[in-house]
Amino acid sequence: QKEVEQNSGPLSVPEGAIASLNCTYSDRGSQSFFWYRQYSGKSPELIMSIYSNGDKEDGRFTAQLNKASQYVSLLIRDSQPSDSATYLCAVSFAGDGNKLVFGAGTILRVKS
Amino acid sequence: GAVVSQHPSWVICKSGTSVKIECRSLDFQATTMFWYRQFPKQSLMLMATSNEGSKATYEQGVEKDKFLINHASLTLSTLTVTSAHPEDSSFYICSAREASGGDEQFFGPGTRLTVL
Repeated sequence: QKEVEQNSGPLSVPEGAIASLNCTYSDRGSQSFFWYRQYSGKSPELIMSIYSNGDKEDGRFTAQLNKASQYVSLLIRDSQPSDSATYLCAVSFAGDGNKLVFGAGTILRVKS
Repeated sequence: GAVVSQHPSWVICKSGTSVKIECRSLDFQATTMFWYRQFPKQSLMLMATSNEGSKATYEQGVEKDKFLINHASLTLSTLTVTSAHPEDSSFYICSAREASGGDEQFFGPGTRLTVL
């Protein structure tokens, strides 16, 4: 059973703080990792993709991947109220048509 | 780039009728499209994988005769919910993967289906 686990939250952070979102996955053969943001009533929007160990930065977002620990995280610097949403971690498992398996999502609330 | 559209954005229908949802990749070619369903406060559930020119692959528990998928071109996939019932009411979302790209999936805006 290929699983992606996330803490459902809600994670509450003050405006301007760093929000840290975490995700673990079950299959060591996983190749591709994604973070999506989903506002209430809307469809997911791709924020970051990461394929190799280490950090990947894009603006206020940093994705971190540790394949040995089967762990991927997303850091949001200088959090804004507009960042309040559900963040979905998605993992592509090799040999399975590269389908994405989604975690249940972490609700982030940024308080002004 | 990588824009995916869906039509309609919402639909209300009577029980027993069929509803067709279109998913289009607007600025890229998508050999593979995916159909998801999302119930309130739940995560996305993959229903089927749609490959251009071939039959769709359905996930376990998804009735292929009820959810008809057609992927006739590199930019269009359709999902038809046949004989819809109230329990089919949900948020249906498609995604597309670029033919020449990586594993990223780009999502359409979704279709909210309400069956009375």
